[in-house]
Amino acid sequence: EAGVAQSPRYKIIEKRQSVAFWCNPISGHATLYWYQQILGQGPKLLIQFQNNGVVDDSQLPKDRFSAERLKGVDSTLKIQPAKLEDSAVYLCASSLGLADNSYNEQFFGPGTRLTVL
Amino acid sequence: SQQGEEDPQALSIQEGENATMNCSYKTSINNLQWYRQNSGRGLVHLILIRSNEREKHSGRLRVTLDTSKKSSSLLITASRAADTASYFCATALYNFNKFYFGSGTKLNVKP
Repeated sequence: EAGVAQSPRYKIIEKRQSVAFWCNPISGHATLYWYQQILGQGPKLLIQFQNNGVVDDSQLPKDRFSAERLKGVDSTLKIQPAKLEDSAVYLCASSLGLADNSYNEQFFGPGTRLTVL
Repeated sequence: SQQGEEDPQALSIQEGENATMNCSYKTSINNLQWYRQNSGRGLVHLILIRSNEREKHSGRLRVTLDTSKKSSSLLITASRAADTASYFCATALYNFNKFYFGSGTKLNVKP
């Protein structure tokens, strides 16, 4: 079974530029998550999709971050314009998304390491 | 905040020793999960314990959950150098798989 795919793996941009990350979850997984992980910290949930609907985006800085999951499969996360403090690893994860989440472990992609100069 | 908090923040032990990490959280959960993250890599799921379970084993891992104290512990027995990683607990709420990660315990196992 293929895992969660993310691209690119690394990205270096200057502040005020824009950047986009792509995620392909495991086939059949209804729930998709985007996390931001700053060095030395735990992952912080940015946005959570259930199929193509947003379940939680309370910690997404909506003035500069946006995300979509068209057709309930792939997802893109965009930052425009980027700030220095956006330097982090952006992790995508997916889970089965059963209504009873007792068995819903998350499968993580390798992440995209973003450096904003 | 619902976020779990791990304790200690860092732990250094010799190979063969046991390692214990703790996680505390604030509100009722559906389940609690432990993940491992090797340096520069994505997270790997280790074990899930549901709110009606008190203890669970998987290989050299033993997880306990005390819902009255809102805490969990992860025990790694007979540690190996390959266990060197950061360990995170994630609390899952009842509604739609919302997860909250703690800040992690950085484990260093010296050969």
